[in-house]
Amino acid sequence: EAAVTQSPRNKVTVTGGNVTLSCRQTNSHNYMYWYRQDTGHGLRLIHYSYGAGNLQIGDVPDGYKATRTTQEDFFLLLELASPSQTSLYFCASMTGNQDTQYFGPGTRLLVL
Amino acid sequence: GEQVEQLPSILRVQEGSSASINCTYENSASNYFPWYKQEPGENPKLIIDIRSNMERKQTQGLIVLLDKKAKRFSLHITDTQPGDSAMYFCAASLASSGSWQLIFGSGTQLTVMP
Repeated sequence: EAAVTQSPRNKVTVTGGNVTLSCRQTNSHNYMYWYRQDTGHGLRLIHYSYGAGNLQIGDVPDGYKATRTTQEDFFLLLELASPSQTSLYFCASMTGNQDTQYFGPGTRLLVL
Repeated sequence: GEQVEQLPSILRVQEGSSASINCTYENSASNYFPWYKQEPGENPKLIIDIRSNMERKQTQGLIVLLDKKAKRFSLHITDTQPGDSAMYFCAASLASSGSWQLIFGSGTQLTVMP
């Protein structure tokens, strides 16, 4: 199975804080995705990318920026964190069009 | 935006019986339909998938059916065991601005009672 890693695994910050979540995949997958998971909402897409330097907006992008610096690395940035962004964040990667997405282990973020 | 509807949201079955989860999608261009299982504290993991050139797929106690005309697909777990208790998500592929994403259903919490 494809390897996707995320860091940190847990993060606590305060309202207005600056947070960067990191994701790395070493399978040469083209696509990478950032989701948030909240009870009652399932998986909601924040941002995604189909290659280094590319960025696509997902369904819930407000308050988030993302950057794909290399084929392997995709970052999610919260520049002014708010309590509403307390959530479980998953990164996923996919090799090509209409294919399986492989998820990282998740980052649990708490914004106080 | 595009949605995938998943029902039921909660499902409780007796050990040894079958469990069925149903999903509907909107976009007729969707051609790939994966199912994920997520256990508490874990990430979602692919358990079975089906592409639009098939109507049925079966593997290790799991059956997926696809009805493209009705835009409906379903997961059937036969002979359920307590280890099948988990959250299950369906998804459908979607093209957006020349790139691809998966649209996920809202999940089904399955509990298999001994």
